[in-house]
Amino acid sequence: GAVVSQHPSWVICKSGTSVKIECRSLDFQATTMFWYRQFPKQSLMLMATSNEGSKATYEQGVEKDKFLINHASLTLSTLTVTSAHPEDSSFYICSAAGTLNEQFFGPGTRLTVL
Amino acid sequence: AQSVAQPEDQVNVAEGNPLTVKCTYSVSGNPYLFWYVQYPNRGLQFLLKYITGDNLVKGSYGFEAEFNKSQTSFHLKKPSALVSDSALYFCAVRSYGNNRLAFGKGNQVVVIP
Repeated sequence: GAVVSQHPSWVICKSGTSVKIECRSLDFQATTMFWYRQFPKQSLMLMATSNEGSKATYEQGVEKDKFLINHASLTLSTLTVTSAHPEDSSFYICSAAGTLNEQFFGPGTRLTVL
Repeated sequence: AQSVAQPEDQVNVAEGNPLTVKCTYSVSGNPYLFWYVQYPNRGLQFLLKYITGDNLVKGSYGFEAEFNKSQTSFHLKKPSALVSDSALYFCAVRSYGNNRLAFGKGNQVVVIP
C-alpha cells in the first residue's frame, strides 16, 4: 500500500524558533498533500491543502505567514511553524493524495514548544 | 458542504462482544466514506472505505461497515471485540470530485477485558 512518512516524529523547541516538518510519499506521486492539526482526543483540523508547484490553500483562521507550506515536488511537502509559541504545541499530521484522490496519512509529528 | 456526526464520545464494550461505532454523514452527491483508527501518538490507519457497489464493506482487522443511503449512515462493526481494538476511531466523508475529507469528532473505543 501507499506509504507516507513524516520527519521528525517529535520535536521540542524553544519559543520564538522555527520548526520544519517534512511529509514524504514514499512509493507514489502525490498531486495534493494536506496538513492537519490535532489536539488531544480531538478530531483532525485541516490547516491547508497544497498542490505541487503552487501556493497552498489555507483554511479560514489559519495564518499562512505562521504556517509556511512548501510542496516542491510530487513526493515532498514541508510545513514550517515560524516563531513558534507554546500554543502551537500540537500533533501535526500530513496526508498525501494520488490521482484517485484517496488520502494516505503520515504517522504524525508531535511538536512541543517550551 | 460535507459533514460527519459521530454521536457518542466513548464506546465501552466487553472483550468478545460485538462492537458498533456509529456514523452519519451529510454530503452533496454521492458520498465516499471512510473509517480510520488512531492509536496514541500515531497517525491514522485506514480501516475501510465505501465508494460504490455492495453496501456491506469489509476491511482490516475484522472490521466491516454498512452503507445505508436512506439513513445516511455508515456504522462500523466488529463481531467480537479485542482489547487491542481500544483506540480512537474516525469516520470521514468526501463527495465525488472533492479531495478534502470531512472528519467526525472521533469515538474512543474501550474494550474491557
